[in-house]
This record gives sequence, structure tokens and C-alpha cells, in this order.
Amino acid sequence: GNSVTQMEGPVTLSEEAFLTINCTYTATGYPSLFWYVQYPGEGLQLLLKATKADDKGSNKGFEATYRKETTSFHLEKGSVQVSDSAVYFCALSGSYDMRFGAGTRLTVKP
Amino acid sequence: DTAVSQTPKYLVTQMGNDKSIKCEQNLGHDTMYWYKQDSKKFLKIMFSYNNKELIINETVPNRFSPKSPDKAHLNLHINSLELGDSAVYFCASSLGRSLNTEAFFGQGTRLTVV
Repeated sequence: GNSVTQMEGPVTLSEEAFLTINCTYTATGYPSLFWYVQYPGEGLQLLLKATKADDKGSNKGFEATYRKETTSFHLEKGSVQVSDSAVYFCALSGSYDMRFGAGTRLTVKP
Repeated sequence: DTAVSQTPKYLVTQMGNDKSIKCEQNLGHDTMYWYKQDSKKFLKIMFSYNNKELIINETVPNRFSPKSPDKAHLNLHINSLELGDSAVYFCASSLGRSLNTEAFFGQGTRLTVV
């Protein structure tokens, strides 16, 4: 079945540092891939997505590229801010199914 | 307009009680989900429904019974609550037949069993 493996963290960075959160997947067919963000006390919000191989999703300075050859969808940001502190989830879609990684807690310190 | 709304937001109850959580979406989606998020933030799918039909039942105890009166609603009833049921429960919806569309989440219901 479909599954997502995600770097669990927690990750603590200083403001303006470079961020990478690793995500790899196992899937049948050609799923879409997503990154979601969860701020404290809230539900999950879509951060970015990619629907086919070599697509790059981007939003709010975050980027991730759908790599079919390495079955990966790593999240990157060049310069994090304190406001980026949250839990980040990698996810993939199947038919009537959406699977999530374990989540990575990011804390950014001033 | 809240796209996916679930009630209540907080639920505190005693062991052995029966409780329900309601979920409604106004996005016109055909697929709805229930997820359980534990204290470590791990998000586990419990059920998915497509047009009122159960698609996924992820080895959830029989005490949990989802009910979908129509494709815009998916309620979760829990019988004989146990301490281990304490978690945040999230409802979500999507166009399930399309692999390209994301799921939209409710704000969550924090269930505490004492």
C-alpha cells in the first residue's frame, strides 16, 4: 500500500537558516504529493503540492520537487523565520485515500 | 464560510461513555475522512467515505462507527470510550477520485477521556 516516510525531528534552527525536511514515499501508480503545515491548536493547511514527476511546488518561500527516480519530495526553504515554527507533514494521495508522514516539528529561534 | 466544520471543538468525558463528533463540508467534495492525531502529532487515517460508501476502514476498533447520511456529512460515533481514545480527531474532505486535489481539514476535536 501507499506510505510516506518523513524525517521526524524535532528540528531547531536559528532565524535565516536553511531548512530541509526529507520525505520519501512508496506508492502504486502516480500519486500527487503534498506538504501540509499545522500551527499550534489548528488543523492542517496545504503548503504546496506537485502532481507529476519533476514538478516543483512552491509557496511562501518553501519549495519541493517531485523526484520519481528517488521517490522523494523534500521540503526546503532558504531562510526560515520565527513564524515558520510549526509541524510539517508530507502526504501522498491515492484513490479515496490520503496518507501522511509522521510529521516534523520545526522550531525557529530568533 | 467554513469549508470543513466539525463539532465540538473540545470534548471531555468519562471512560465507558458514548460520544459523537459531527463533521460537515460545503465544498461539494465526494470523499470524507476521519483521522486520529496522537500526542506525538502522528496522523493516522481511520476511515474514508466516498458518496456515503465506506472505502477505507483502517483496522479501527468496532467501538468506532462512522455514519454518512449524505456526502456532505460524516459523523463519528464512539462507544465505550477508553483512556487510549484521548487524541485530536480531524475530519477532512477531498475530490477522492482525482489524485491531484488536496484534502481540506477541519479544526479538530480534542477528545479527553478521564
